[in-house]
Amino acid sequence: QITLKESGPTLVKPTQTLTLTCTFSGFSLTTGGVAVGWIRQPPGKALEWLALIYWDDDQRYSPSLKTRLTITKDTSKNQVVLTMTNMDPVDTATYYCAHSPSGRFFDYWGQGSLVTVSS
Amino acid sequence: DIQVTQSPSSLSASVGERVTITCRASQSISTYLNWYQHKPGKAPKLLIYAASNLQGGVPSRFSGSGSGTDFTLTISSLQPEDFAAYYCQPSYTTPYTFGQGTRLEIK
Repeated sequence: QITLKESGPTLVKPTQTLTLTCTFSGFSLTTGGVAVGWIRQPPGKALEWLALIYWDDDQRYSPSLKTRLTITKDTSKNQVVLTMTNMDPVDTATYYCAHSPSGRFFDYWGQGSLVTVSS
Repeated sequence: DIQVTQSPSSLSASVGERVTITCRASQSISTYLNWYQHKPGKAPKLLIYAASNLQGGVPSRFSGSGSGTDFTLTISSLQPEDFAAYYCQPSYTTPYTFGQGTRLEIK
């Protein structure tokens, strides 16, 4: 049974760096083809893909956010970490991490973590 | 980057109706297109992957079709639990995007 759970601050100030952790179980990020992605949804808006990390440490990013994002994995802890620098109120959103068996679609999702950016 | 145009943006329908949502890609993506259902306060749910493959546990009233640039998600007979937002996601290559979403409401 695959589960994922996001953790991190619920409130960050503008210009700060956000660090979100996705802790998962039921699969290994050392298995060929497997990936974990991050997706967010600002209030009232559509889903937005942010980043993806593959089993072989290949990392992919949204071009519009690439300079601000870093995705890493710790296979010993079954965790994936997303950092986003220089946070702005427009980054207020629910952030989801999700499992992908192939890197092409997301079949298991975390419950989401609401992050508010405000001074 | 591959963009998708999803339509309609909102749709009102009744229980038992057949509804279709479309997604058009900015270039040919073969069958690399996925569909998700999203309800408020819950995680998105994968419905269809690779254009026409029903994810395990998803009711058979959901179906997907298409290839190249034009894709459809069809719900053959709407049930009360189907009222939600739906998103397409092309997966031909990264960076990925999501469609703008279709909000399916009760008429």
